[in-house]
Amino acid sequence: EVQLLESGGGLVQPGGSLRLSCAASGFDFSGYAMNWVRQAPGKGLEWVSAISSAAGSTYYADSVKGRFTISRDNSKNTLFLQMHSLRADDTAVYYCAKPRIWGSWGSDAFAIWGQGTMVTVSS
Amino acid sequence: EIVMTQSPATLSVSPGERATLSCRASQSVGSNLAWYQQKPGQAPRLLIYGASTRATGIPARFSGSGSGTEFTLTISSLQSEDFAVYYCQQYNNWPPVTFGGGTKVEIK
Repeated sequence: EVQLLESGGGLVQPGGSLRLSCAASGFDFSGYAMNWVRQAPGKGLEWVSAISSAAGSTYYADSVKGRFTISRDNSKNTLFLQMHSLRADDTAVYYCAKPRIWGSWGSDAFAIWGQGTMVTVSS
Repeated sequence: EIVMTQSPATLSVSPGERATLSCRASQSVGSNLAWYQQKPGQAPRLLIYGASTRATGIPARFSGSGSGTEFTLTISSLQSEDFAVYYCQQYNNWPPVTFGGGTKVEIK
């Protein structure tokens, strides 16, 4: 079964840091670009970041550029999101998401989502 | 950045009735449009990709249509499990991929 399992969320003070992980199983992780998408409480979906299958390319939403870093360890089938300088408006459920097509880069729907991990930024 | 606008924000429908949800893009996205369903406390689930192709395991009562800037998701006969929030997403021009604000389908 194809699965994504996020972890690492929690309560952090403004200006703090947090590292999210997404453990993948049931598919050839190294062949897929991966994404992070977030959802603030009661709000819609916001794409955060993407990384290519071999980690050679990364993209970020303007709202997180310079503060967040996406990375992956294909040997451990794990995706990461390192978050620094956290702000109250970063409070959200963070989902990792897998595209439909092996080898696709960007222009593809998100076929599989994890259950999400909650990040709360508050003093 | 392409802005996706969904309407209506809330749709009240009786079980067994037809629901029609709209999504408009601020510029053409071709057929690179997806629809997702999200229930409370759950992750989004892919329903439709390529504007009109149902994802694996999605019932035939869900159908998508449109291209360019105007898209529609139709649920032909609403079942109790279909009451949820629906999002459209364009993945034609990225980064960023962008989502609409969502349409909540509620029981009338």
